[in-house]
Amino acid sequence: QQPVQSPQAVILREGEDAVINCSSSKALYSVHWYRQKHGEAPVFLMILLKGGEQKGHDKISASFNEKKQQSSLYLTASQLSYSGTYFCGTAYNAGGTSYGKLTFGQGTILTVHP
Amino acid sequence: DSGVTQTPKHLITATGQRVTLRCSPRSGDLSVYWYQQSLDQGLQFLIQYYNGEERAKGNILERFSAQQFPDLHSELNLSSLELGDSALYFCASSVASSGIYEQYFGPGTRLTVT
Repeated sequence: QQPVQSPQAVILREGEDAVINCSSSKALYSVHWYRQKHGEAPVFLMILLKGGEQKGHDKISASFNEKKQQSSLYLTASQLSYSGTYFCGTAYNAGGTSYGKLTFGQGTILTVHP
Repeated sequence: DSGVTQTPKHLITATGQRVTLRCSPRSGDLSVYWYQQSLDQGLQFLIQYYNGEERAKGNILERFSAQQFPDLHSELNLSSLELGDSALYFCASSVASSGIYEQYFGPGTRLTVT
């Protein structure tokens, strides 16, 4: 039931692009993306809703493919500050018994070098 | 700063003891979530409260309990502590109860059981 993230780790040079995928075997209602630096709290990046539009701010954007039950996070022209572990958290219905419960993927470690 | 506060920041205690972790949600948020993050289990959902009522439960051990008070702050009680309970415990809050709302994480409490 845990979503699967790929790749497990990415190493980039500043200015390069990366894509992180989050796949679920269950029908998704929403996907939440977070970035976490070591020992710190996860920081909210964006939320994508079933049937919603692709979102983005600055050089980070994400999409939600309902057919594949997959979300992708796009990081373009990466900066040193993008380094960290990226998690997707998935919710499986709008209310019901899961309410706001998020099930997180195992994380993708992104390292950006100068 | 997400606006979610957690105390204490660090807690070191012995096996068999009982501890209480405290969380204050962002102003205006009615829903509080507790998550546990350990190296081997990743980020795991424990329990959710909405406006004082329990709304969703994850893989929370029977030795753990939580509540949300009328002023909306929440406490997570961990008893009969074992070495394996050592982890980062995060509280998150959102404005409402379902998975379509962003969750903002507090700084976490690092629990070490010796």
